[in-house]
Amino acid sequence: GAVVSQHPSRVICKSGTSVKIECRSLDFQATTMFWYRQFPKQSLMLMATSNEGSKATYEQGVEKDKFLINHASLTLSTLTVTSAHPEDSSFYICSASHSGSNQPQHFGDGTRLSIL
Amino acid sequence: EDQVTQSPEALRLQEGESSSLNCSYTVSGLRGLFWYRQDPGKGPEFLFTLYSAGEEKEKERLKATLTKKESFLHITAPKPEDSATYLCAVQALTGTASKLTFGTGTRLQVTL
Repeated sequence: GAVVSQHPSRVICKSGTSVKIECRSLDFQATTMFWYRQFPKQSLMLMATSNEGSKATYEQGVEKDKFLINHASLTLSTLTVTSAHPEDSSFYICSASHSGSNQPQHFGDGTRLSIL
Repeated sequence: EDQVTQSPEALRLQEGESSSLNCSYTVSGLRGLFWYRQDPGKGPEFLFTLYSAGEEKEKERLKATLTKKESFLHITAPKPEDSATYLCAVQALTGTASKLTFGTGTRLQVTL
């Protein structure tokens, strides 16, 4: 099946630090990747949609200057949380899908971000 | 606005005790309904996609069904390894292609 790798799995850092999270599709080319945020016992909230070679589309209320997304190739997207603060602490999950709008999204194992 | 409501919020079953999870949805034209399984500290694992009312799909002890307003995930004779959170998501025909709207999930615990 489709495999999506996300790295790192856990980050603990000081307030004000910028953190980069990588999302790779290992066995397929992903024209579209997605970034989600999940709080404990809550559902996944879509933050942004990332298309290879173009600017990401952010959901309402998500600061694009705070959460920088780059999708430079068909197998790699990165999310950088700039100048992170404790309220940015969360579980961040990426997903990728094959071309075709009704293809299922395949998810990485998430990154637990803790800002002290 | 697309909405997905899952019930119950939590379910505890004994091994072998069959049950069903519900996913009610409101969407401006359904492109697809997706079921995922999520283990603690992990990303969701894809289970099924359903596209039209009346469609059914099966995988081992799981069977998903779809009507115009809801979907059910039937679990037959569950085992402890089926314990997880089951998430339902919908994809609309209009708006951003491929965007999924998730429900809050049903946390299933299967005991011996």
